[in-house]
Amino acid sequence: SQQGEEDPQALSIQEGENATMNCSYKTSINNLQWYRQNSGRGLVHLILIRSNEREKHSGRLRVTLDTSKKSSSLLITASRAADTASYFCATDVKETSYDKVIFGPGTSLSVIP
Amino acid sequence: IAGITQAPTSQILAAGRRMTLRCTQDMRHNAMYWYRQDLGLGLRLIHYSNTAGTTGKGEVPDGYSVSRANTDDFPLTLASAVPSQTSVYFCASSPGGLAGEKNTGELFFGEGSRLTVL
Repeated sequence: SQQGEEDPQALSIQEGENATMNCSYKTSINNLQWYRQNSGRGLVHLILIRSNEREKHSGRLRVTLDTSKKSSSLLITASRAADTASYFCATDVKETSYDKVIFGPGTSLSVIP
Repeated sequence: IAGITQAPTSQILAAGRRMTLRCTQDMRHNAMYWYRQDLGLGLRLIHYSNTAGTTGKGEVPDGYSVSRANTDDFPLTLASAVPSQTSVYFCASSPGGLAGEKNTGELFFGEGSRLTVL
């Protein structure tokens, strides 16, 4: 079973609108990260939020974390066509031997010009 | 430009053949990882390495092997490819890797190797 699962699986919005993606996870984490993947490319790190943080901002990105509900959200404000990509949440679970980063299946975002 | 280089970019090979996917990083990161990405399943960890000379199994290690002879290189080998190993493979690295060591947790990814096994 997946540690992290994004919701929705796919999202289509008009340029200028805000896009919100959610992530739920199962076990305790050290931090939660969001990544972006353009079609046919590798993943690119967007933002990391630690387990003792509740909200973090980076440019047009806003991430929240609720450890009591084991959930996070990624908000992209004033979306642009260039934001079209897949977005993945990844949870960093501290194992005894390595930092285990587990990815969810992703949300596919389409921003229509 | 610093980063991770993967080769080949894509490959088609017959079932039963041996294949090695190469991964090289020039960021002097301790930890390296191999993931496979399949539609609807996200990324699944195959093998990892905390530091040169050590490796470990991830979520889906069967049919794959890795080695970490030095800091920069982390090749992934399919000893006898099967069609279910058709996937896109991503190599990644991160600065830390050992339990207790300061680590941002951020992963740096290569551009991927698309493998088709017929």
